[in-house]
Amino acid sequence: ETGVTQTPRHLVMGMTNKKSLKCEQHLGHNAMYWYKQSAKKPLELMFVYSLEERVENNSVPSRFSPECPNSSHLFLHLHTLQPEDSALYLCASSQDSSHNSPLHFGNGTRLTVT
Amino acid sequence: GDSVTQMEGPVTLSEEAFLTINCTYTATGYPSLFWYVQYPGEGLQLLLKATKADDKGSNKGFEATYRKETTSFHLEKGSVQVSDSAVYFCALSGTSYGKLTFGQGTILTVHP
Repeated sequence: ETGVTQTPRHLVMGMTNKKSLKCEQHLGHNAMYWYKQSAKKPLELMFVYSLEERVENNSVPSRFSPECPNSSHLFLHLHTLQPEDSALYLCASSQDSSHNSPLHFGNGTRLTVT
Repeated sequence: GDSVTQMEGPVTLSEEAFLTINCTYTATGYPSLFWYVQYPGEGLQLLLKATKADDKGSNKGFEATYRKETTSFHLEKGSVQVSDSAVYFCALSGTSYGKLTFGQGTILTVHP
């Protein structure tokens, strides 16, 4: 299996649930990212990990908690979400975190919060 | 801060028509510029990129030239196909840990 794989593809959860999104990359990249894609809004960068260390957190609410146990895996732990958190969550990876390194995206997890 | 502005969509064309999607940007320094494409139900895929002024990125018949004087990176294709129907995102990468700033996306629909 190659590329960036995200699971699950679809997730419906209540506001009191706890769930996790998983991302795995098989490209040998050293940087991984979480983006949020909402309808009619530009993609929003949430978190950046470089060599398993978080290097950027764009003022994301604490109900979103990332985890990067190694350079191939990235998780996004979710708890007590709000309906406005419903969106497509995209994981991406790049060779490194320099600005010339293009991102490779997964197909995303479509999250619906009820 | 950095920003990217794309032309409003959606854009609807007939097959074999000429395509232009405008993109302008605001950034400090010398960003790299990208076009990404998102097909239905999928994530974003890199379409082309340019890393310095006057560079031309090209792929699958699409082209875009990095114009520093007009701060633009317009996407063009001479003859679109139905399979080009997708959402196209212009993006720039500044100096902050590979952070990409995206435009809002332009929906392209090509009819046979």
